[in-house]
Amino acid sequence: EAQVTQNPRYLITVTGKKLTVTCSQNMNHEYMSWYRQDPGLGLRQIYYSMNVEVTDKGDVPEGYKVSRKEKRNFPLILESPSPNQTSLYFCASSPRQGVSYNEQFFGPGTRLTVL
Amino acid sequence: GESVGLHLPTLSVQEGDNSIINCAYSNSASDYFIWYKQESGKGPQFIIDIRSNMDKRQGQRVTVLLNKTVKHLSLQIAATQPGDSAVYFCAENGFTGGGNKLTFGTGTQLKVEL
Repeated sequence: EAQVTQNPRYLITVTGKKLTVTCSQNMNHEYMSWYRQDPGLGLRQIYYSMNVEVTDKGDVPEGYKVSRKEKRNFPLILESPSPNQTSLYFCASSPRQGVSYNEQFFGPGTRLTVL
Repeated sequence: GESVGLHLPTLSVQEGDNSIINCAYSNSASDYFIWYKQESGKGPQFIIDIRSNMDKRQGQRVTVLLNKTVKHLSLQIAATQPGDSAVYFCAENGFTGGGNKLTFGTGTQLKVEL
């Protein structure tokens, strides 16, 4: 089944404890992206990647890191999480870069709470 | 700055009625729009899209209308069903020179009353 998977789905952690949220897609998509969703603010892009070893900042990149060593994986890293990073996170992928008319496929989401 | 937004945060309709969800955008250079549906506990799912060279596009029970003059987008759902209850987002897909960037509105909660 074609899908985007995220792990973990739920995570409660404490301030300053490094964590990684994994994202994997099995559709051979070139483009991948991370969003956070907060009440009243909708979905905001954190980072995106156009292909392996190519990443760039989205609208709200502060406090996050990403890597794209393989085409299928795009982990989101929080080196020192803070309570304002408590949010619902979505990973998404789409088949081609450089073409604007593409649907993005979303993962199921990761609910992160930072105490 | 540029923004994509929604007029109403919540819309309640009776089962069987038609629903209309509205979206305003401010970037006149936007050339592609998508409607997503997000059910509770799930990620957004693609419903329908429209390019700026079109005024209307129809899918199964859904129609998207684009009015470029007033920069307004709407999603019409015919014969609304309980399974249509969800949050609906419009999104502007802009080509940034390197890839796809989606800018989302804040969403409208659609509630279907039996």
